[in-house]
Amino acid sequence: GAGVSQSPSNKVTEKGKDVELRCDPISGHTALYWYRQRLGQGLEFLIYFQGNSAPDKSGLPSDRFSAERTGGSVSTLTIQRTQQEDSAVYLCASSLVGSGLVGADTQYFGPGTRLTVL
Amino acid sequence: EDKVVQSPLSLVVHEGDTVTLNCSYEVTNFRSLLWYKQEKKAPTFLFMLTSSGIEKKSGRLSSILDKKELFSILNITATQTGDSAIYLCAEGRDNYGQNFVFGPGTRLSVLP
Repeated sequence: GAGVSQSPSNKVTEKGKDVELRCDPISGHTALYWYRQRLGQGLEFLIYFQGNSAPDKSGLPSDRFSAERTGGSVSTLTIQRTQQEDSAVYLCASSLVGSGLVGADTQYFGPGTRLTVL
Repeated sequence: EDKVVQSPLSLVVHEGDTVTLNCSYEVTNFRSLLWYKQEKKAPTFLFMLTSSGIEKKSGRLSSILDKKELFSILNITATQTGDSAIYLCAEGRDNYGQNFVFGPGTRLSVLP
């Protein structure tokens, strides 16, 4: 596809369950970002992957959150033992950062996954 | 804690008005300042600014960065109802990689 895709678009789960959110970045983009947006709040950075480097996990709110990026492409954000405060829209973005091209830092966002924890 | 501040947080104007949205930052390891428009779930990229004093334009939108005073403005001229959205400002940091600190956003409502 031409853009960043995310799945599922909506996820409703019960408190205490684990969830996995998927992101397919734009082909060839070396950088991938996960963000969270709670209702009425701004975007919150979670984690950043760049090529084969160790990910920047500085934004992960707790050890219940983890993410991986397989083969430098698809990424999965996993939330274990979900809590009601995890309810939010989870956005993924990718960019060409590191390519040296003008505008390479531009982030392209996916449509997001709306997570609701009951 | 490093943060990005936007003002106003909310703004209501009528079609045809010109608006100026403000973003200030106070972070180290500055790399870039970005503006996004968010209408639904996913923000749309507007501008990336890295150099002071150079205005970027796209149609009725323009933006400029002042790295000495640590702020940026986003101008929208001849506003239309379709400009109604949340406008997000983000500061790109260059630590061990690149990550972004987002401001709270300015909610712009353009009335017909």
